[in-house]
Amino acid sequence: EAGVAQSPRYKIIEKRQSVAFWCNPISGHATLYWYQQILGQGPKLLIQFQNNGVVDDSQLPKDRFSAERLKGVDSTLKIQPAKLEDSAVYLCASRQGSSYNSPLHFGNGTRLTVT
Amino acid sequence: SQKIEQNSEALNIQEGKTATLTCNYTNYSPAYLQWYRQDPGRGPVFLLLIRENEKEKRKERLKVTFDTTLKQSLFHITASQPADSATYLCALGVDSSYKLIFGSGTRLLVRP
Repeated sequence: EAGVAQSPRYKIIEKRQSVAFWCNPISGHATLYWYQQILGQGPKLLIQFQNNGVVDDSQLPKDRFSAERLKGVDSTLKIQPAKLEDSAVYLCASRQGSSYNSPLHFGNGTRLTVT
Repeated sequence: SQKIEQNSEALNIQEGKTATLTCNYTNYSPAYLQWYRQDPGRGPVFLLLIRENEKEKRKERLKVTFDTTLKQSLFHITASQPADSATYLCALGVDSSYKLIFGSGTRLLVRP
């Protein structure tokens, strides 16, 4: 099966600019996650979708970050305006809906550098 | 406060030895725990799952233990190989909401 696809692979922007990341999960996976991973740290959950509804966005900085999942498939994560501390890898993951303890499948992430 | 702690220092071992990585947590009551491997520039890859009512799980050279009294999971790689060098992440599943919370990871280096 095809894995989780993310683009772009790398992005460099200046602070106060906007940026968007795209994720295409594994076909049929109902749950989709966006994680932020700062260098040397573990992934931090930003937002979790179940189909096209938001389940958890408690850690999403909503003043600058937004995310949507169109028709319960692809998802985009946007940052506007970006800050220096947003420099990180943004990982998308998906999971089958059949079992709550099933594993996450991750994409290889988008590395964002804010200068 | 809630914490998931993994050794921040890299674990450096000789090929053929057993690597043991630790995951400690506080103020969580996980329903299950998962371990992932992450290579540089790649996303994490799932390795093993252990549920709260299980003490031990094995898969080939990998073994995971889960002690809910000590609030600790141990991850073992036996007969380690240089190809096992990577960062290993533990992740707690706190309930049936599909939410997964990750530790900071431990880097493992296996010397030939």
